[in-house]
Amino acid sequence: DVKVTQSSRYLVKRTGEKVFLECVQDMDHENMFWYRQDPGLGLRLIYFSYDVKMKEKGDIPEGYSVSREKKERFSLILESASTNQTSMYLCASSFRASNEKLFFGSGTQLSVL
Amino acid sequence: TQLLEQSPQFLSIQEGENLTVYCNSSSVFSSLQWYRQEPGEGPVLLVTVVTGGEVKKLKRLTFQFGDARKDSSLHITAAQPGDTGLYLCAGGRNTDKLIFGTGTRLQVFP
Repeated sequence: DVKVTQSSRYLVKRTGEKVFLECVQDMDHENMFWYRQDPGLGLRLIYFSYDVKMKEKGDIPEGYSVSREKKERFSLILESASTNQTSMYLCASSFRASNEKLFFGSGTQLSVL
Repeated sequence: TQLLEQSPQFLSIQEGENLTVYCNSSSVFSSLQWYRQEPGEGPVLLVTVVTGGEVKKLKRLTFQFGDARKDSSLHITAAQPGDTGLYLCAGGRNTDKLIFGTGTRLQVFP
């Protein structure tokens, strides 16, 4: 079965900390995405990557960066966490086109205190 | 700017009732996907519709893409507690990335 694995289910961090969220997919997908999910706002795209070492800004990239050193791994970095970054973070991957079927991880609920 | 609006935002019904969820936009999409997200999990794709006016059925779920490809609906017949979850529509435009709707949270009580 295809799988997208996010390293942490829950994370609690302090304001100002550097936070790493890791995501690994085992489907040899080209595209990987990071979304944040907030009630009433649906899913908002933070960053995506269509190839190793390539990245593109999504709709809300401010305060975030990403890294894709290997095809199967896509990391989201919060350089200096703030309370307004408390949210559910979802990683996803797709095979080729960026509007194809997305496979999601189970999410990381991040709380920044 | 939210390009895909879903209604209603919340829906709480008894088992056996029928319901419809709407996904509306002023923009044209080349395809429209519906996902369901259960508590503690990521969204899972239910269906993709690509042709204006297309209707797809998945057991008790019926999905329709509007003729102008700007809107879509999801109809559930005889809802079951297992249908409980967050329903998300997502529109695609050619090679551009998906745009997700605001979501409809459905609760079906036994």
